[in-house]
Amino acid sequence: DAGVIQSPRHEVTEMGQEVTLRCKPISGHDYLFWYRQTMMRGLELLIYFNNNVPIDDSGMPEDRFSAKMPNASFSTLKIQPSEPRDSAVYFCASSSTGDYTEAFFGQGTRLTVV
Amino acid sequence: LAKTTQPISMDSYEGQEVNITCSHNNIATNDYITWYQQFPSQGPRFIIQGYKTKVTNEVASLFIPADRKSSTLSLPRVSLSDTAVYYCLRLDTGRRALTFGSGTRLQVQP
Repeated sequence: DAGVIQSPRHEVTEMGQEVTLRCKPISGHDYLFWYRQTMMRGLELLIYFNNNVPIDDSGMPEDRFSAKMPNASFSTLKIQPSEPRDSAVYFCASSSTGDYTEAFFGQGTRLTVV
Repeated sequence: LAKTTQPISMDSYEGQEVNITCSHNNIATNDYITWYQQFPSQGPRFIIQGYKTKVTNEVASLFIPADRKSSTLSLPRVSLSDTAVYYCLRLDTGRRALTFGSGTRLQVQP
């Protein structure tokens, strides 16, 4: 397996624009996590899914953020409208019920909102 | 959510053994201790996990005393490539999601 695949790797957008980040989890994994990393706040859990169903979205900053998982092999994190303070590296990770400790992370998407 | 406390940074030299201690005074019965490593511009990577006593794999050893209020990650004979941030996490097996703290930034010098 190629691991968790995120796209794009880098995104630069203007304030107010819509941004969509994409994630393909490892095949067979039934948990999917979205994290955000900044220098100031470190790694923050935004939301996670189990079997495509959102379980905990308490980390989502505000209504401008939304996440979906339409099927087991794809998830999106959308920011609309984007703001400069959303600039961060966004990581997607997946894990399996049978191995609850080891979550596999993607390479991340570096988002810059100008 | 569950909190852990670990040193912000550590320095070492190549070939030395490095021990990073993590405090988790309020650990719950169902919690496991897991450590992740993160290199610059990469996502975190799982290193090792344990519940109590000692666990060893090809990368590191993890020591957890009987009271489980702390744990120590041991990296034998570090090299420059071990320079990274190391995170100690408590995994709530019910909640499943990992909560990261600030981690320990390890700098290995030649």
